[in-house]
Amino acid sequence: KAGVTQTPRYLIKTRGQQVTLSCSPISGHRSVSWYQQTPGQGLQFLFEYFSETQRNKGNFPGRFSGRQFSNSRSEMNVSTLELGDSALYLCASSLAGGQGSNEQFFGPGTRLTVL
Amino acid sequence: QKEVEQDPGPLSVPEGAIVSLNCTYSNSAFQYFMWYRQYSRKGPELLMYTYSSGNKEDGRFTAQVDKSSKYISLFIRDSQPSDSATYLCAMWGGSYIPTFGRGTSLIVHP
Repeated sequence: KAGVTQTPRYLIKTRGQQVTLSCSPISGHRSVSWYQQTPGQGLQFLFEYFSETQRNKGNFPGRFSGRQFSNSRSEMNVSTLELGDSALYLCASSLAGGQGSNEQFFGPGTRLTVL
Repeated sequence: QKEVEQDPGPLSVPEGAIVSLNCTYSNSAFQYFMWYRQYSRKGPELLMYTYSSGNKEDGRFTAQVDKSSKYISLFIRDSQPSDSATYLCAMWGGSYIPTFGRGTSLIVHP
């Protein structure tokens, strides 16, 4: 069974640009969550999508957005990039998500560098 | 005070040692507790998943939750160099907003 895949693996952008990251969950998984990981703040929850609907959202500004497609694939977008957005962005999928959810499987992440 | 506190380490132990990793938390609503292992340049991998208080064992790993003290632990027996990684605790309850510790870096030297 293929794991969670994320593309691209590495990305370099400049301040003010926007970026779109992609995540393909494990086949059959309907919940996709996005996280930002930095040395200073650790792993922080961005949002969760389930059946194409955003079900939960973390405490991030509106520049961070996402969507989920009917095949459960998900994208997240960051507009007007700032230097502080440099981070590892992780996607995790699970069968159904939600409180006390099933096991989350993480992808390898996309390393975003903002110059 | 952060909701979840975890000593970043690094924690360096000799091969074969028993390792104890810990997190404390402040939110009494947390009911689900997890431990993840993250190797360098990889995504986190779920090791243990427990609900409420008690112990759970899986091979060389034991997870312990003490809700009265708001304290969780992960014990690794007979540690191996391949256990060298960053260990993250995570927890949630009340709403599906998982909160992670910053991770403890573990180094097991031969």
